[in-house]
Amino acid sequence: DVKVTQSSRYLVKRTGEKVFLECVQDMDHENMFWYRQDPGLGLRLIYFSYDVKMKEKGDIPEGYSVSREKKERFSLILESASTNQTSMYLCASSSGTRGTQYFGPGTRLLVL
Amino acid sequence: GEDVEQSLFLSVREGDSSVINCTYTDSSSTYLYWYKQEPGAGLQLLTYIFSNMDMKQDQRLTVLLNKKDKHLSLRIADTQTGDSAIYFCAEIPSGNTPLVFGKGTRLSVIA
Repeated sequence: DVKVTQSSRYLVKRTGEKVFLECVQDMDHENMFWYRQDPGLGLRLIYFSYDVKMKEKGDIPEGYSVSREKKERFSLILESASTNQTSMYLCASSSGTRGTQYFGPGTRLLVL
Repeated sequence: GEDVEQSLFLSVREGDSSVINCTYTDSSSTYLYWYKQEPGAGLQLLTYIFSNMDMKQDQRLTVLLNKKDKHLSLRIADTQTGDSAIYFCAEIPSGNTPLVFGKGTRLSVIA
């Protein structure tokens, strides 16, 4: 079974803090994705990566950066957290150019 | 551009059938997916259909694809309270691009 894990289920941070969200997959997938989910807006793609050290901007990259130093790990970084980044963050991975995406359990981030 | 549309809410009685509808725009999509999200959890793959198929059945789930109208539906037979969740439709557009998701349909099952 594919397993995608995220470092925290719940996180509370203060405005201006640097925040790291970690995602690890154990199926040797090339592709990894970060989404945020907000009520009424569905899933919005922040960043994705098709290979180690590669990254592509999604639909809403502003205020975020990512790091992919190893194939199994994809990190989302909030350089200076703001209250409008309070959200549910979902990581996913897939294989190949049109592979099924498998999701982690999500991290619910609250920025005060 | 790519867009996937779904109605936001559906309410059904326990034991009835549920039908969740989705329309998509990219006629070259090869795979179309249904994901389920239970409260507080990530998305779980329910089923998918390849674009050269019209129908796929998996136990209580039936997926129908109308390529001409770019319409996808998910039917859940004998809906149970455990089926209460948000259901997302998704497509892979042409080229090497990520999945495009609809906003999700919240299914409420009334006992």
